[in-house]
Amino acid sequence: DGGITQSPKYLFRKEGQNVTLSCEQNLNHDAMYWYRQDPGQGLRLIYYSQIVNDFQKGDIAEGYSVSREKKESFPLTVTSAQKNPTAFYLCASSTSDRVSSNQPQHFGDGTRLSIL
Amino acid sequence: DAKTTQPTSMDCAEGRAANLPCNHSTISGNEYVYWYRQIHSQGPQYIIHGLKNNETNEMASLIITEDRKSSTLILPHATLRDTAVYYCIVFTGNQFYFGTGTSLTVIP
Repeated sequence: DGGITQSPKYLFRKEGQNVTLSCEQNLNHDAMYWYRQDPGQGLRLIYYSQIVNDFQKGDIAEGYSVSREKKESFPLTVTSAQKNPTAFYLCASSTSDRVSSNQPQHFGDGTRLSIL
Repeated sequence: DAKTTQPTSMDCAEGRAANLPCNHSTISGNEYVYWYRQIHSQGPQYIIHGLKNNETNEMASLIITEDRKSSTLILPHATLRDTAVYYCIVFTGNQFYFGTGTSLTVIP
C-alpha cells in the first residue's frame, strides 16, 4: 500500500539534545510538509518542501531544521534551540510541486515527542 | 489566522445525517475549501474539497454557498466511527490553515 510512514510513534528526548523525526512516502509526491499540533489546537506549519533540495520555512520554523535530499524522505530535526518541543508532529505530502490549491495533502500518523 | 470559524462541538444520533457548518467569509476567488477529520492520536484524514460547486464522494457531501462565504459538510448516515474532530480549511496555495475544528460525537 502507498502511504506516509512516520517513525518512531513515540519519542523521548532529554533537555539539550537534538532529535530527528523520520518521514518517508512512497506516493511519488513532490511536496512534503511538517506540522506541529499542541493539545486542543489545530496544526501549525513548520517547514515545507515543493521539490528535492529545496524547502521553505512555515509559521513556526524557529528551533527546527529539515533536509530534502531524496523525493521520498523529509526528516525533521528538533534542535535544543526549540524551547517547547513537546508536541505531536505530523508529516504530510501532496502531488503538486508548485503552488496549487487543488491538491489534498495526505498525512502520516504522527510522532509524539516528549521531554524527559 | 485560521481563516475559518466552526462550532466547537456537536452531537449527532447514529444513523442520522451530520451537518457540520463552517464560515470562511474572507475566502479569495481561487482558494479551495477542504475538510479533514482527526481521530485522537492519528493523522488527519482527507474527506473532501471544493471551489464553487457542491461536491460528493463516498464519504461525504460538501455544500458551498453561492457567495462562498460558508459551507456545510454532510455525513449522510453517521456511525460511531465518525466520532472525530472535523476541520474546515481554506487552502491559500502553499499551506493549510487549521483551526481548532468541530468535535463531533455520534451518539448510539
